[in-house]
Amino acid sequence: GAGVSQSPSNKVTEKGKDVELRCDPISGHTALYWYRQSLGQGLEFLIYFQGNSAPDKSGLPSDRFSAERTGGSVSTLTIQRTQQEDSAVYLCASSGRTSEAYEQYFGPGTRLTVT
Amino acid sequence: GDSVTQMEGPVTLSEEAFLTINCTYTATGYPSLFWYVQYPGEGLQLLLKATKADDKGSNKGFEATYRKETTSFHLEKGSVQVSDSAVYFCALSDPGGSNYKLTFGKGTLLTVNP
Repeated sequence: GAGVSQSPSNKVTEKGKDVELRCDPISGHTALYWYRQSLGQGLEFLIYFQGNSAPDKSGLPSDRFSAERTGGSVSTLTIQRTQQEDSAVYLCASSGRTSEAYEQYFGPGTRLTVT
Repeated sequence: GDSVTQMEGPVTLSEEAFLTINCTYTATGYPSLFWYVQYPGEGLQLLLKATKADDKGSNKGFEATYRKETTSFHLEKGSVQVSDSAVYFCALSDPGGSNYKLTFGKGTLLTVNP
């Protein structure tokens, strides 16, 4: 079946511009996560959505970062006024209910380069 | 807070050598433990997992045992292949928290030479 998909695969933007990154989770998965992978910080949790509950935004590094999930499916991560330190690979993951909740399936990522 | 420490690489081995990548963790609850693998140019894939103490996760010849007494989850393989060359991440998920987010180690780059 289809896995987690992300778009675009690569994004180059100028400092100060806004960017939107998209994630399509596995169909039927209720939980969705965003992570960031960078050379300096490794893999970091950003935000978590579960069903219709309020998202857990505890990992967002600044108020320039926001995310939404429409209809319990597709999610968009928005970074406003991008900075060079935002350059990283942004990974999306999804997981199912209960006993499957521990297994997260990752998309291929979006490589963001801020120039 | 939760944390994962894994041995720093890079690790370079010859084909058919024995592999160990050490991983230890700190968690407030009783976490589930994972090894993820990232092959060159690809996304993260779950390699194996263990959800309680003394569980052994295994897949593709890799094994790791959840050791609560030593808070460890070391990855082992008896005979590595060139195709095992990848970055390996140890991770935990603490179900006692508010979500199942993964906390990752920094990753270990493994290169296997023919």
